[in-house]
This record gives sequence, structure tokens and C-alpha cells, in this order.
Amino acid sequence: GAGVSQSPSNKVTEKGKDVELRCDPISGHTALYWYRQSLGQGLEFLIYFQGNSAPDKSGLPSDRFSAERTGGSVSTLTIQRTQQEDSAVYLCASSSYGGSGNTIYFGEGSWLTVV
Amino acid sequence: LAKTTQPISMDSYEGQEVNITCSHNNIATNDYITWYQQFPSQGPRFIIQGYKTKVTNEVASLFIPADRKSSTLSLPRVSLSDTAVYYCLVGEGDSSYKLIFGSGTRLLVRP
Repeated sequence: GAGVSQSPSNKVTEKGKDVELRCDPISGHTALYWYRQSLGQGLEFLIYFQGNSAPDKSGLPSDRFSAERTGGSVSTLTIQRTQQEDSAVYLCASSSYGGSGNTIYFGEGSWLTVV
Repeated sequence: LAKTTQPISMDSYEGQEVNITCSHNNIATNDYITWYQQFPSQGPRFIIQGYKTKVTNEVASLFIPADRKSSTLSLPRVSLSDTAVYYCLVGEGDSSYKLIFGSGTRLLVRP
């Protein structure tokens, strides 16, 4: 597609279950970001992928969170043993390269509700 | 660590010019300044980007003083549809890819 695609758009899960959120970046973009946004709050950086380099995972809030990027394209964010505080919208973004001089394009987000 | 400071909220009326200023005192030499707009239930979208002086596009202008420690987003003749949250963004110095969003400015445009 022309933009960043995320799935599912909405997910309701029970506390303790694992969830996977998927991101398809814009074709050709080597940089991929995951952010989290709680209701009414700003965006919280989670993880950054650039090409084949080791990802910057410094924003992941706990070891229940992990992410991978296969083939330098699609990325999956996995949350294990979900907790209610994990409820948020998870936003994926991509750019043609990393760096603040480059425009990043966001998907519409995956809305996660943990009940 | 680059950090941005913006007003939490602003009110305006249709047809007025709105200026939102962002402080980034620790901006690194290689950092650009980018502004994003976010509507409820949507991901942020790019508005404008600059490095120094003034940049103008079809929707906004960005003013950056010589010391680059602040920037001002100018929205001419706002409409109701400009009601949104506006984020000022800079990189993090050596880790300039790590784009950290602040709390943003909630702009409310009234009729």
C-alpha cells in the first residue's frame, strides 16, 4: 500500500494473554519505529529498527515487550502476559532513513484494550 | 538529551493566525526541527520541517532563530478543522533517529 499499515486496528484481550501487533511499513523505508500512546497522552518511544542494524530497544517498558522485523520490512510487536496498563494505541511509523532530518510516516495505530 | 517544551494548550478563533512556540535549548548541531499534527484516533502527520531561518509550505510556516533554541509554528487563518494536537520534535543528538515526542500543544479553534 501507499502508507504504513497496521493490524489489527482494534484488539480486546484478557489480562494475561499474549498479543501480536503487526506493521507493514512503506515500501523501501529502512527505518521503522514503534510508539505507544495512552489515552490523552503524548507518544512514548518504544523501539527503532534501521536496516540490518541491531534495533534500539531502549524504550521498551518491560521484558514482556519484544519486537522483531523480518526481512527488513514487516515488524511485529509482541506483548506477553498483558496487563491493564498496557491498554493504549500502538503506533508504527517508517521513514526512508533514520534521523531527525527525515519525515516519518505513521500508521493509524492498533488500539489495544486489556480487560 | 534534547527535550522540547511547548504550551499545553491554546485557544483561537476561526480566521486568526496561530503561533505555537517550542523550546529546545539542547538541540544538537545535526538535528532538524519537525512539527506534526495529530487528530483524535489518528496517527500524527507531518506538517513542516526546518533547520534554520524560515520555512514555508502550503499549510504553515516555521520560524527558527539563529541560535535554534526555539522554533515557532505559524498557522495562518485557522479553521475549525485545525483543532488538533501539535507536536514539536527534535532528535536526540548522537541518537538523532530517536525522535522523542513531547506532550504537544492542544489547539482548540472556536467558531
